[in-house]
Amino acid sequence: AQKITQTQPGMFVQEKEAVTLDCTYDTSDPSYGLFWYKQPSSGEMIFLIYQGSYDQQNATEGRYSLNFQKARKSANLVISASQLGDSAMYFCAMRESGRAGSYQLTFGKGTKLSVIP
Amino acid sequence: GAGVSQSPSNKVTEKGKDVELRCDPISGHTALYWYRQSLGQGLEFLIYFQGNSAPDKSGLPSDRFSAERTGGSVSTLTIQRTQQEDSAVYLCASSLVGWGGLDEQFFGPGTRLTVL
Repeated sequence: AQKITQTQPGMFVQEKEAVTLDCTYDTSDPSYGLFWYKQPSSGEMIFLIYQGSYDQQNATEGRYSLNFQKARKSANLVISASQLGDSAMYFCAMRESGRAGSYQLTFGKGTKLSVIP
Repeated sequence: GAGVSQSPSNKVTEKGKDVELRCDPISGHTALYWYRQSLGQGLEFLIYFQGNSAPDKSGLPSDRFSAERTGGSVSTLTIQRTQQEDSAVYLCASSLVGWGGLDEQFFGPGTRLTVL
């Protein structure tokens, strides 16, 4: 079973509009972290936002916010006021911290976001 | 250095040859990770080093893949007898402690490997 599912292979959004990128996850570990990364066409992986499983509040970083619904095991990324530079691949990732030695990230397949002027 | 660096940026090799990919992590980061990004498989974990602990090799796809980290800093990923399915972008990342909380992983620019 996939640990991270991103159901939207591609998304379009009008410039200045908000967009939500979906991410659901599967884990039995009570302690985990969820990450979103952006990968522009240049190929670099850029960290955007983090949510810990015990965090009470949804994470926010500038125009990025994370809609964390723990019971539903979803961690959707919301980008407000989209800009042309937001066009990129977006990856949701999880790190499970309960098993010693297992600190790598497990990634979803990604969503390609295209911002339309 | 300012960030994670990787070399070479591109590598073209013939099937059956061995290749070495290098990663220089951010100074002071104790944890180092190798991932592979390919069209068919997405981003996959390969191996994880943390300080002087034994590495977590659970993601290596075959015994043709090996990696070492010398002096807790530079890491080399070696692929022996390369196959066409090894063609991918190999990404290295480092983080401060390698466990708990945010501990953001900073990624290098990757090495694009093409096996002809």
